[in-house]
Amino acid sequence: EAGVTQFPSHSVIEKGQTVTLRCDPISGHDNLYWYRRVMGKEIKFLLHFVKESKQDESGMPNNRFLAERTGGTYSTLKVQPAELEDSGVYFCASSLGQSLSYEQYFGPGTRLTVT
Amino acid sequence: LAKTTQPISMDSYEGQEVNITCSHNNIATNDYITWYQQFPSQGPRFIIQGYKTKVTNEVASLFIPADRKSSTLSLPRVSLSDTAVYYCLVGDPTGGFKTIFGAGTRLFVKA
Repeated sequence: EAGVTQFPSHSVIEKGQTVTLRCDPISGHDNLYWYRRVMGKEIKFLLHFVKESKQDESGMPNNRFLAERTGGTYSTLKVQPAELEDSGVYFCASSLGQSLSYEQYFGPGTRLTVT
Repeated sequence: LAKTTQPISMDSYEGQEVNITCSHNNIATNDYITWYQQFPSQGPRFIIQGYKTKVTNEVASLFIPADRKSSTLSLPRVSLSDTAVYYCLVGDPTGGFKTIFGAGTRLFVKA
């Protein structure tokens, strides 16, 4: 079974441009999470989807970030316009359920570089 | 949110047992303790999770004292491939790890 996949693996854009990151969770996983690690800092939670609904978006840094999960399958995270401080690694994770018996499976991450 | 404190790095040799301790003095009643492993250029990977006492799986053991203010991840007989960063997380994972991952412990296993 394929794991969580993320695309692209690396993106380099200029300040002010738009970038869209994609996450494909494990098939059948209703729960999808976005995290990010900006340079030199810890991994931080961004938001949580249950199917297509945003369960918790308390970690989204500002309104330049927009996450969607139409149809409850893959998710996209758009950054518009990108700023220098958005550089970092963006991780996606998915889980089958929300109870403690369901672990989160992380993707390899997308490394975003804003110049 | 419960904050965790771990050693920044540890060195070990192949075949040794490695114990990584995490402090979480402000752990809440509903919080669980979860450990993740991360290799370079990969996302974190679940290792083990527990609430109290001892939990063991095929990869590691997790020891949690009665006051739950700390926990120890035990890796038996490490190999070179166990070189990675190990994160201790405290919180309710059902809604996402909203508690910060922390800097983690960088374990370097030498031959």
